[in-house]
Amino acid sequence: AQSVSQHNHHVILSEAASLELGCNYSYGGTVNLFWYVQYPGQHLQLLLKYFSGDPLVKGIKGFEAEFIKSKFSFNLRKPSVQWSDTAEYFCAVISSASKIIFGSGTRLSIRP
Amino acid sequence: DAGVIQSPRHEVTEMGQEVTLRCKPISGHNSLFWYRQTMMRGLELLIYFNNNVPIDDSGMPEDRFSAKMPNASFSTLKIQPSEPRDSAVYFCASSGLAEDNEQFFGPGTRLTVL
Repeated sequence: AQSVSQHNHHVILSEAASLELGCNYSYGGTVNLFWYVQYPGQHLQLLLKYFSGDPLVKGIKGFEAEFIKSKFSFNLRKPSVQWSDTAEYFCAVISSASKIIFGSGTRLSIRP
Repeated sequence: DAGVIQSPRHEVTEMGQEVTLRCKPISGHNSLFWYRQTMMRGLELLIYFNNNVPIDDSGMPEDRFSAKMPNASFSTLKIQPSEPRDSAVYFCASSGLAEDNEQFFGPGTRLTVL
């Protein structure tokens, strides 16, 4: 069965630290990959997406993600986090079967 | 565009009562999704529709839950009878082919069943 794994459930960083959130998926075919962010009390918003082309994807607010097909990974990165990045981050995958699967989410807390 | 619209934003009801959650997708989108989010289980896909037709309802927890999409601009998620363990935030999302399957989420309905 297809699955999406986000290994870090809760990450705590200080402001200006670098961030990397892991995401691995299990589907072997063509996939579309997404990172969504959910700020406290709000709905999910798209951060970035990959469906073809350059495997290094730039998103909003300085986030980027790299698709590594051989590792079935799509890790999210940001070189220097801010307090306002405190949120929950969800990785999601859509396969050719067109059913989206979300990871369990990673809660990011930033110490001011 | 106003985005995905959900109503009500908050619902407090007593156990045993019927609850109806409503969603208006973005105009022109042909897929609609209902999700439930809780602290314990995270974000769960309950059901999704393509062109108003239910495609996969395997995430619907039990027969007390039902969803309909009578037309392209409206969907409902109904819980009858409701139970305290149904308390959660219910999100509706829509997507269209042109957006490469990106889903746009509504603000959610926070349901509390006492």
